[in-house]
Amino acid sequence: KAGVTQTPRYLIKTRGQQVTLSCSPISGHRSVSWYQQTPGQGLQFLFEYFSETQRNKGNFPGRFSGRQFSNSRSEMNVSTLELGDSALYLCASSSGVSTEAFFGQGTRLTVV
Amino acid sequence: DAKTTQPPSMDCAEGRAANLPCNHSTISGNEYVYWYRQIHSQGPQYIIHGLKNNETNEMASLIITEDRKSSTLILPHATLRDTAVYYCIVRVWETSGSRLTFGEGTQLTVNP
Repeated sequence: KAGVTQTPRYLIKTRGQQVTLSCSPISGHRSVSWYQQTPGQGLQFLFEYFSETQRNKGNFPGRFSGRQFSNSRSEMNVSTLELGDSALYLCASSSGVSTEAFFGQGTRLTVV
Repeated sequence: DAKTTQPPSMDCAEGRAANLPCNHSTISGNEYVYWYRQIHSQGPQYIIHGLKNNETNEMASLIITEDRKSSTLILPHATLRDTAVYYCIVRVWETSGSRLTFGEGTQLTVNP
């Protein structure tokens, strides 16, 4: 079956702009989590959505937000982009019961 | 989630077994040990997980000590494609959320 799909794969934005990233989970999976990976901070948890509700949230400013749709697809939004937001953004899906998470290939965001 | 300690880097010869250690001395009784790996610039890949018994799947074996304070991931016949960062994570099964806390991991380099 198809894996986790993230779009776009690469993105370049200017400081102050906003960006929306998309994640389509594995069919049947109801949980979608988002992570940020930077060379300095490593892999950090952003938030998790399950059945359209945010179930868990990491320690990121309010500029980072997300949502999940009824088909389990998820989007994350970053407003007022800063240079430090340049990172690989990863999405992971799981059934919501098992904590075995499957990751997408990520979206590489560059803020200039 | 309990903290884990892994060596920053290891080398292994192609075709030999790679044994990656992980220390999790503060693990709780209901916490599982998970292993993921990340090949450069790709999303993390689930490898295996266990509670207290040794586990084996098509990718690897997981050996957990009797006191559960440490574990070893074994790749029985390492190939060049196993070169990656390996993350050991401990977390509660079926907690309200699928949050994973990644540490620094071990950079495994498989040499020809």
